Amino acid sequence: EAQVTQNPRYLITVTGKKLTVTCSQNMNHEYMSWYRQDPGLGLRQIYYSMNVEVTDKGDVPEGYKVSRKEKRNFPLILESPSPNQTSLYFCASRGLAGLDTQYFGPGTRLTVL
Amino acid sequence: DAKTTQPPSMDCAEGRAANLPCNHSTISGNEYVYWYRQIHSQGPQYIIHGLKNNETNEMASLIITEDRKSSTLILPHATLRDTAVYYCIVRVALSQGGSEKLVFGKGTKLTVNP
Repeated sequence: EAQVTQNPRYLITVTGKKLTVTCSQNMNHEYMSWYRQDPGLGLRQIYYSMNVEVTDKGDVPEGYKVSRKEKRNFPLILESPSPNQTSLYFCASRGLAGLDTQYFGPGTRLTVL
Repeated sequence: DAKTTQPPSMDCAEGRAANLPCNHSTISGNEYVYWYRQIHSQGPQYIIHGLKNNETNEMASLIITEDRKSSTLILPHATLRDTAVYYCIVRVALSQGGSEKLVFGKGTKLTVNP
């Protein structure tokens, strides 16, 4: 089954404790992206990657890092999380050719205390 | 900023057609209309997209006005599981150099009632 998976689905952590949210897709998609969703602000893009070793900032990259060492994986790294990074996070992927619809993961709900 | 306007909420009876409108009066000639939906904090799900012709797939139909300034997503026989927030998005297709970013507005909260 074609899918985007994220782990963990739920995470409660404390300020300053480094964490990584993993994202993996099994569709051989070149493009992957991270969004955060906050009430009243909708979905906002954090980072995206056009292919292995190619990443770029979205609208709200501050406080986040990403890496793309393999085509299927696109982890989101919070080196020193802060409470304002409490949010619902979505990973998405799509191919570069043809129908360019994005497939979204199930989401990771992060709470930073 | 989102370039679309949608009503904040709508209700529909189960089994009836749900017609969700979207205004995109500033749409450019090479911009497509996309629809996604999000069921209760799950990841957004692609529904359908179109340029100027009406489109239909297994999930829905998309009716785009001749001047392309508005469109309507039609769920022909709404079920309780169609209760979700529906997002209308306009963007240039990637094959034409479109943005890598989807700009989601506030969408329409559709509630399907038994």
